[in-house]
Amino acid sequence: AQKITQTQPGMFVQEKEAVTLDCTYDTSDPSYGLFWYKQPSSGEMIFLIYQGSYDQQNATEGRYSLNFQKARKSANLVISASQLGDSAMYFCAMRGPNTDKLIFGTGTRLQVFP
Amino acid sequence: DTAVSQTPKYLVTQMGNDKSIKCEQNLGHDTMYWYKQDSKKFLKIMFSYNNKELIINETVPNRFSPKSPDKAHLNLHINSLELGDSAVYFCASSLRDLGTQYFGPGTRLLVL
Repeated sequence: AQKITQTQPGMFVQEKEAVTLDCTYDTSDPSYGLFWYKQPSSGEMIFLIYQGSYDQQNATEGRYSLNFQKARKSANLVISASQLGDSAMYFCAMRGPNTDKLIFGTGTRLQVFP
Repeated sequence: DTAVSQTPKYLVTQMGNDKSIKCEQNLGHDTMYWYKQDSKKFLKIMFSYNNKELIINETVPNRFSPKSPDKAHLNLHINSLELGDSAVYFCASSLRDLGTQYFGPGTRLLVL
């Protein structure tokens, strides 16, 4: 069975610093996709970044990068130069082969302080 | 130019009532989903439709019935509402096989 684990319920980071949010996954399928979503206090779910299991390079989108370590089954999100607006819940999710179903982790609440 | 929209945004109702939530996407996607986020922020898929055909039906009570009149719309009807149905319901859409799902703003349902 597929599973996503986010072990950090909360993280603090100072503005302009980088922060890493941890995500590990468990699957026996060789083909899968990994996603990160941001949920600010206003409640919407915002797609941030995607990594395919066969992608050779780590995904990057602006200040977001995904540190993909396949052997360790980890897909950590790195946010560089944190901004106050980055304060939110962050969810890691996985999609397996032959299914569109996303399985989510329990989320990490990130707080950025000045 | 909203991508995935849901109505209503808030829904407060009494136990036992029947209610519907509507979802529309203008992204040209062929697959739509309903997810439920509980009070602990845990997100779980309920249903998915591809071109009006039901693809995923998780273990959801049959009081919940999705309806897809066309591939741009996926509505969720809930009969005989219970206290435990209180949650945030998210609609999402994607292109099949490409995977990235884009979410609507959510509908906050409170059953009293």
